This record gives sequence, C-alpha cells and structure tokens, in this order.
Amino acid sequence: KQEVTQIPAALSVPEGENLVLNCSFTDSAIYNLQWFRQDPGKGLTSLLLIQSSQREQTSGRLNASLDKSSGRSTLYIAASQPGDSATYLCAVRRNFGNEKLTFGTGTRLTIIP
Amino acid sequence: NAGVMQNPRHLVRRRGQEARLRCSPMKGHSHVYWYRQLPEEGLKFMVYLQKENIIDESGMPKERFSAEFPKEGPSILRIQQVVRGDSAAYFCASSPLGDEQYFGPGTRLTVT
Repeated sequence: KQEVTQIPAALSVPEGENLVLNCSFTDSAIYNLQWFRQDPGKGLTSLLLIQSSQREQTSGRLNASLDKSSGRSTLYIAASQPGDSATYLCAVRRNFGNEKLTFGTGTRLTIIP
Repeated sequence: NAGVMQNPRHLVRRRGQEARLRCSPMKGHSHVYWYRQLPEEGLKFMVYLQKENIIDESGMPKERFSAEFPKEGPSILRIQQVVRGDSAAYFCASSPLGDEQYFGPGTRLTVT
C-alpha cells in the first residue's frame, strides 16, 4: 500500500528566502507525481506534474525534482513571497490504468513579510 | 474553458438527511474522480468514474455512499442518511484520458 509522507508539517520562513519542501513515498512503482497548493477553504491548484521518466520540472520560481528509486521528491521555491503562503500537497499516481492519486498530508507554509 | 465546477460550495444537512454533491468536469474531460478531505487529514480517494461507468470505487464506504456519471449531466456523489462523521470537504477532479487531474473548488458538507 502506497504511503506518502511530507515533512515538515509546517514551515515558516522570512520573505525572500529560498526553501525546499519534501515528499517521500514508499512504493517506487509510480506513474507520475503532482505537486499542488491549497489555500484555506479553497480547492487544489496543480503546480507541477513530473512523469516517472523525468527528473525535474520547472515553472517560474518553482522547481520539482523526482528520485523515483529512493522514493523522494522535492519542491524548491525560489525568492519566496507572502503570496506563496499555503498548504503544499504532493500526490503520486501508481501506474497507468490505476488512476487514483495518493496524497501526502501536506506542508503548511507561511512566508513572513 | 471553464474549470471543474462543483455545487453547492457549502451544504448543511441534519443527521439522517441525504446529501447530493454535483461535479461538472472540464470541457472535453471524460474522467471524473472524487476525493474526501476530513478535518485535519489529507485527501483520500473515493471513486473514479468514466461516462456511465464506475471504474474504481475502492475508496468508497460500503454503505450510504454512491456515485454516478451519466451520459448527460454532471457527476453526482450521493450520501444517504448522513452522520456527523461525513462532515468534510469533498473534491472532484477531472482529466482527459487519465492524465493530469484538475480539481474543483470543493463542496464543504456540514452535518448538524
């Protein structure tokens, strides 16, 4: 059974700093991994999707890496801004034909102005 | 292209009533997924549907919960005889051909 863990559960950093969020999963047989952000009381916004054959994906100030063999992914946020404050979730999809996402419990990020 | 639509956004039901949650996928998406987020917990998969078919319902509680995605109209998640433990945020996602999933804003169900 796939288990996804995100550490730390909460993180506070001053504005302007670079930061890394971590995601680990127990079963390396994944099809892809997605990073989402969730604002309080809102839905999920997809940030990046990494296919199992890829090592990283970049979008603006965000960079996500994937090391499938070790069961790890990181989300790097450069030059953090107060608007980045949210809960960040990673989710893995097991394989093609098995569509469901297994989510981590998230990291609640607070950027201090 | 409008995103995934869910309604209502907030729903209050008394114990024993029925709750119906609706999800309209993005245009051109034929795959719909329902997830539940209990207070202070992560999102858990409930069910995966394609038009007129339930593909995977391994995350659905065995009783009181059902889902459908008819040929025409939105997907419906139905909870009969709601209990306080059903209070949660219910999210719908859609995808084209089972790729990246796009989430709706969720329906927050409160059972009093």
